[in-house]
Amino acid sequence: DAMVIQNPRYQVTQFGKPVTLSCSQTLNHNVMYWYQQKSSQAPKLLFHYYDKDFNNEADTPDNFQSRRPNTSFCFLDIRSPGLGDAAMYLCATSRDITATNEKLFFGSGTQLSVL
Amino acid sequence: GQQVMQIPQYQHVQEGEDFTTYCNSSTTLSNIQWYKQRPGGHPVFLIQLVKSGEVKKQKRLTFQFGEAKKNSSLHITATQTTDVGTYFCAGLFISNFGNEKLTFGTGTRLTIIP
Repeated sequence: DAMVIQNPRYQVTQFGKPVTLSCSQTLNHNVMYWYQQKSSQAPKLLFHYYDKDFNNEADTPDNFQSRRPNTSFCFLDIRSPGLGDAAMYLCATSRDITATNEKLFFGSGTQLSVL
Repeated sequence: GQQVMQIPQYQHVQEGEDFTTYCNSSTTLSNIQWYKQRPGGHPVFLIQLVKSGEVKKQKRLTFQFGEAKKNSSLHITATQTTDVGTYFCAGLFISNFGNEKLTFGTGTRLTIIP
């Protein structure tokens, strides 16, 4: 089945130790998003790729970076994780940008813990 | 920035009772989407509303978009244990620069008492 896959499901890292989260999709969607969701809060958009074009949200810390080497894969790099970065990180895709009324398909998320 | 507020934040209902969550925006929305997130799960798309005053139904779920396109509601009739989860609205805003952004509401967590 076509889907959005995130690995790993749980990730533990140390304070300040770089970590990379992975997302892949078999939907062949143009747009891939990274959201941060803390407990009992709404998903917060960090950035998105429209094809190869990177779009950063104004309030996303520089500590967060992303790479999209091809259509199928997208990575979230946290250069120096702090305790406040512990959260669920959700990858999502849409066929086109949301302006064209496209719905989001979410992966199962990676729960990041920072020790 | 644009904000989308939802009330209530939490709702506990007896199984079989109705449930409603309300979504409000300070500015006009282009459209609104609704997502359901089960405990420990990820958001799953439910529906999208585009037209002013639009009403859509999915079995026991009724979705409404306000006339001014600033508010929306989700009503569940005769709740079941499978309805447990957090319901998020997500509003699409058109900025002054012409770009668009989907902003999630604060969510309403529904728990069912069997």
